[in-house]
Amino acid sequence: AQSVAQPEDQVNVAEGNPLTVKCTYSVSGNPYLFWYVQYPNRGLQFLLKYITGDNLVKGSYGFEAEFNKSQTSFHLKKPSALVSDSALYFCAVRENTGFQKLVFGTGTRLLVSP
Amino acid sequence: EPEVTQTPSHQVTQMGQEVILRCVPISNHLYFYWYRQILGQKVEFLVSFYNNEISEKSEIFDDQFSVERPDGSNFTLKIRSTKLEDSAMYFCASSVEAGAHYEQYFGPGTRLTVT
Repeated sequence: AQSVAQPEDQVNVAEGNPLTVKCTYSVSGNPYLFWYVQYPNRGLQFLLKYITGDNLVKGSYGFEAEFNKSQTSFHLKKPSALVSDSALYFCAVRENTGFQKLVFGTGTRLLVSP
Repeated sequence: EPEVTQTPSHQVTQMGQEVILRCVPISNHLYFYWYRQILGQKVEFLVSFYNNEISEKSEIFDDQFSVERPDGSNFTLKIRSTKLEDSAMYFCASSVEAGAHYEQYFGPGTRLTVT
């Protein structure tokens, strides 16, 4: 069965510093990987996805993620964090066979301090 | 930019009552989903729906749950007899296609509180 692990409940970073939010996955076939962000009292907003091709994927709000097949990881990164990036971040995976459901990780709270 | 909308934003109900959660997916999307998030836990898939049929459902989606697309715009989740453990945030999502590489767009959620 497909699964995603986000090993950190919370990541703290100072504004202007680079940030990394970690995600590892487990699937039987090739993965399709997604990052979503959730702001307080809001729904999940799509940030970026990896389907195939370049291992470095660029997304919304200056975020990017690096797909590493050998380490089965898909870490979310940003070169310079903003206070407004503080939110809950979810990694999700789908297999490229079968259908539709997204399998989410437990989420990582990012706290960017001024 | 088109958005998925959900009503109500918050629903309080008594145990054993029926609730209907409503969603309006993005207009050109054909695939619809419900997920839920119990407070402090991860987002869990409930059901997917296409062409007026359930295409996939999780073990959470038992006989107490049903989904319907009653007209060309709404997509509803019904819980027939609510339990305390149904208290959660329920998210509707839609995608233009079913392929695994298509992202799903989520609504703001309905917070269901069962007392």
